[in-house]
Amino acid sequence: KAGVTQTPRYLIKTRGQQVTLSCSPISGHRSVSWYQQTPGQGLQFLFEYFSETQRNKGNFPGRFSGRQFSNSRSEMNVSTLELGDSALYLCASSLASAGGTDTQYFGPGTRLTVL
Amino acid sequence: GNSVTQMEGPVTLSEEAFLTINCTYTATGYPSLFWYVQYPGEGLQLLLKATKADDKGSNKGFEATYRKETTSFHLEKGSVQVSDSAVYFCALNDMNYGGSQGNLIFGKGTKLSVKP
Repeated sequence: KAGVTQTPRYLIKTRGQQVTLSCSPISGHRSVSWYQQTPGQGLQFLFEYFSETQRNKGNFPGRFSGRQFSNSRSEMNVSTLELGDSALYLCASSLASAGGTDTQYFGPGTRLTVL
Repeated sequence: GNSVTQMEGPVTLSEEAFLTINCTYTATGYPSLFWYVQYPGEGLQLLLKATKADDKGSNKGFEATYRKETTSFHLEKGSVQVSDSAVYFCALNDMNYGGSQGNLIFGKGTKLSVKP
């Protein structure tokens, strides 16, 4: 079974631009979560989507948004990029079985550099 | 709120040495606990997990036991290899967050370097 895939793997943008990152979950997984990884702050939760609805949101400004499609694929968008948005953005998927705590499986990440 | 604290390292060991990476947590309720590993330039890979007290997770020679009395989930391996060089993250599932599957709360990560 294919793992979580993320595209693109690398991105370079300039301040003020916007960017869209894509994530395809493992087949059959219905929950997709996004995390930001930086050297200073470590791994921080951005948001989680399930059945095209945002279920959870971390403590990030409104410039960070996402969505999920009917096939469970997800995108995240960052508008008005700032230098501090440079990070590795990781997507994780899980089964989201009822009443359970599922393991999250991560993709390889998208490395975003903001100049 | 819930949190994870792990030794930050870096940890440098010789091949075949014994490894311990300490991890303690603060949580209400009964979270699941995880160890993830990140190799250079890659995403996170699940190493092992435990879902309730006294559970032992194990994989590839690594082990960790969910200790509720000491709120710990220390990672151990009896004999490390050069190929184990990576960053290791301890994490818990924050089930208090909005009643959903919960997001993962990570420790800062511990960089392990194993020398031949």
